[in-house]
Amino acid sequence: DQQVKQNSPSLSVQEGRISILNCDYTNSMFDYFLWYKKYPAEGPTFLISISSIKDKNEDGRFTVFLNKSAKHLSLHIVPSQPGDSAVYFCAASGNTGTASKLTFGTGTRLQVTL
Amino acid sequence: DTGVSQNPRHKITKRGQNVTFRCDPISEHNRLYWYRQTLGQGPEFLTYFQNEAQLEKSRLLSDRFSAERPKGSFSTLEIQRTEQGDSAMYLCASSLVQGSRHEQYFGPGTRLTVT
Repeated sequence: DQQVKQNSPSLSVQEGRISILNCDYTNSMFDYFLWYKKYPAEGPTFLISISSIKDKNEDGRFTVFLNKSAKHLSLHIVPSQPGDSAVYFCAASGNTGTASKLTFGTGTRLQVTL
Repeated sequence: DTGVSQNPRHKITKRGQNVTFRCDPISEHNRLYWYRQTLGQGPEFLTYFQNEAQLEKSRLLSDRFSAERPKGSFSTLEIQRTEQGDSAMYLCASSLVQGSRHEQYFGPGTRLTVT
């Protein structure tokens, strides 16, 4: 069963606009969430994370929102740049304090057009 | 460069052969993870170490797979009697257990092709 779901396989956004990537999870034991960006032939690169005790975390152009009641999180990129074109993975972890394994979604391919 | 490194980057092998991959984590990190990624999927957890102790193994890790982390530094992942279904990207990640932060930092991966 897919405990972390990214239902949009792809997204196209114009340069300068906002990109919104969505992620849903089913396991209520997850309490830490992360977003990774992946370019072809490279490993995933950590972008931003959020603990379940927060509902928003911001880092420069990237903001992650967490809605625990809906088991939903989203990544906002503002403004989008061509270099943001990549596959974005949502990941979740449980067992706060033990830094355990990550469970990933299937990814959303973002294309930022000129 | 002080990131996670993996060798080799690519490996082509014939079915039935054994292969071994190496991962060198970020030096101060005490946790090391192995994941496998196939086309169209996200990385799937295989196993992880805290220092030299292997603390968890996924059901994906069949008896043909073995991982070691001698002395708590680099790690090796060996696949014996490879099968075509083992073809995938094998990713290594490391982290520093610090409070409740769970960020893991990934290497570039080893792409395995079994013919």
